[in-house]
Formats: sequence, structure tokens, C-alpha cells
Amino acid sequence: GQQLNQSPQSMFIQEGEDVSMNCTSSSIFNTWLWYKQDPGEGPVLLIALYKAGELTSNGRLTAQFGITRKDSFLNISASIPSDVGIYFCAGQVGGANNLFFGTGTRLTVIP
Amino acid sequence: NAGVTQTPKFQVLKTGQSMTLQCAQDMNHNSMYWYRQDPGMGLRLIYYSASEGTTDKGEVPNGYNVSRLNKREFSLRLESAAPSQTSVYFCASSEGLAGYGYTFGSGTRLTVV
Repeated sequence: GQQLNQSPQSMFIQEGEDVSMNCTSSSIFNTWLWYKQDPGEGPVLLIALYKAGELTSNGRLTAQFGITRKDSFLNISASIPSDVGIYFCAGQVGGANNLFFGTGTRLTVIP
Repeated sequence: NAGVTQTPKFQVLKTGQSMTLQCAQDMNHNSMYWYRQDPGMGLRLIYYSASEGTTDKGEVPNGYNVSRLNKREFSLRLESAAPSQTSVYFCASSEGLAGYGYTFGSGTRLTVV
């Protein structure tokens, strides 16, 4: 399967700080998506990106589709305690009918 | 609330036992998926069904079978459970193309002893 590498694996930040994480692939993806998983729940879609270079925001979250189409970035501004969770990137290759997921970035926000 | 419903939420099996994980969605989605989540490995695709009546293998299908019973329901069966199948299992659905994103269920935590 496709390898999606996320970094960092985990982050501990103070409430109010900004957060950056990224996802890289050895393959070109047509679509990049970012999900958040709360403890005991399934992942929930945050942002979807469909064009190289695209920058999309959802509230305090901003994600970018890398120009090479092999990477994507997620930024969270002014973090709050409810941002705690695991963030996953996911990508779609060509016309495939399934997504490949990264290994996740675990975010801890210290009040 | 509308969405994807998985049952059971928790299950403990002995090695060699069989069981079926159930999944149902009420969003009239065409495609359904089964993923497993293991620590440090993200989500890996087991099987998927692009539409009613079709199923295809994903990245890690060995030891599993699936049935797309109708448009709403997609079940995952373990015929002879092994400790390596201890995991959290997620069902997901999408309206059509995977690139528009999935809606996930809340998962089934399975332990095989």
C-alpha cells in the first residue's frame, strides 16, 4: 500500500500556541484530506483539498495541498483544549475508490 | 443522528472463535469500507464495497470476509480469530468518490486472547 508519513508523531503545546504538522508521500495524490479523531470515536473530516497549491481554511484550521502533490500541511491557530486528539492525513491516488491514511499526529494541549 | 452505526462496540474473543462485525449507514451512500486501526500504523483498508453487490480486497484482507447485504449494510466476518486481529475496527461510507471523504462509525474494539 501507499506510505504516508506524518510528522511529528506527537506534540505537546500550550493553550494559545499555533500548531503545524505535515504529511508526505512517495506517490502523487489527487486529493488530500485531513481528519481528527477524538478518543473512543471515529475520525471526522476537517478539510478536503483537490488542487496542487490549494489553501483551504475551516475556522482556526488551515490546510495546504503541496505543489509537488506529494505532501500536505495542516496548521491550527490559537490552540484550545478541545483541539486535543489525533490528526490524520489521507490521500486518494488517481481514480482509486479508497483512501490511504497517515500514521497520525497526536496533539496534547496544556491549559 | 444520521450516520454510520457499528455493533458491537467492544468484543473479546478466544483464538479460533468466529464473529461478525455489523455496520449500517442511513445516508444512502454507495460505497462502504472496513479499516483497522493499530497503534503507530494509522488506518489500513481491509475490504471495501464500491456499490451494492460488489466487494474488493484492500491492503490487509487476509483472515477476513465481507458481505454487502444491501445498500445500507456491510458486515465484516472473522472466521477463526487470531491474536494478530486484535485491533479497533472502523466502518466508513462515502457518497461516491472516496476523495469527497468518508463518514466513519465510532468503531469496534476487538481483543483476541
